[in-house]
Amino acid sequence: SQTIHQWPATLVQPVGSPLSLECTVEGTSNPNLYWYRQAAGRGLQLLFYSVGIGQISSEVPQNLSASRPQDRQFILSSKKLLLSDSGFYLCAWSGQGESPLHFGNGTRLTVT
Amino acid sequence: GQQLNQSPQSMFIQEGEDVSMNCTSSSIFNTWLWYKQDPGEGPVLLIALYKAGELTSNGRLTAQFGITRKDSFLNISASIPSDVGIYFCAGRPNSGYALNFGKGTSLLVTP
Repeated sequence: SQTIHQWPATLVQPVGSPLSLECTVEGTSNPNLYWYRQAAGRGLQLLFYSVGIGQISSEVPQNLSASRPQDRQFILSSKKLLLSDSGFYLCAWSGQGESPLHFGNGTRLTVT
Repeated sequence: GQQLNQSPQSMFIQEGEDVSMNCTSSSIFNTWLWYKQDPGEGPVLLIALYKAGELTSNGRLTAQFGITRKDSFLNISASIPSDVGIYFCAGRPNSGYALNFGKGTSLLVTP
């Protein structure tokens, strides 16, 4: 069966520091991969999605970037964090076509 | 992406009551999905709908893909305390890969 791992679970970082969140998927190949952010107020905002290695689409211009160095690895990064980057970051994967998304357990990021 | 209007925003009910929530969109969707999120965790898929008019059940949960392809509802029958959480609808547009999410319905169930 497929599993998705996301870490760390919680992170407290000072303003201006770099960020690296990692997500890996097991049990499937060539998944579509996604990063969402969930701020207070509950809405899920799509940040990036990837349909293959090295292929990244950005939905919202921001202080963050994403990379997919391997088929089942998706990384969310920032060179310098802002206070507004605080939130709950969710990685997800899906199969091809109309397959539903399956989420990891998220990373709670607090920028101080 | 297209905004999904999910209602109600919150519900406070007694154990044993039935619950109904819905989502509407100004655009058509090819897929409607319903997720539940517990505090501090990622959303978990409850029901996936792929055809207009489709009615699907998962235990006490029933969801329907609206015939116009612009809406969907989720019903929970005989609610129990573990139904507490935030329920999200999500739709996939006619083109593209990512889902658009509603803002969620927060459900509280008292014993």
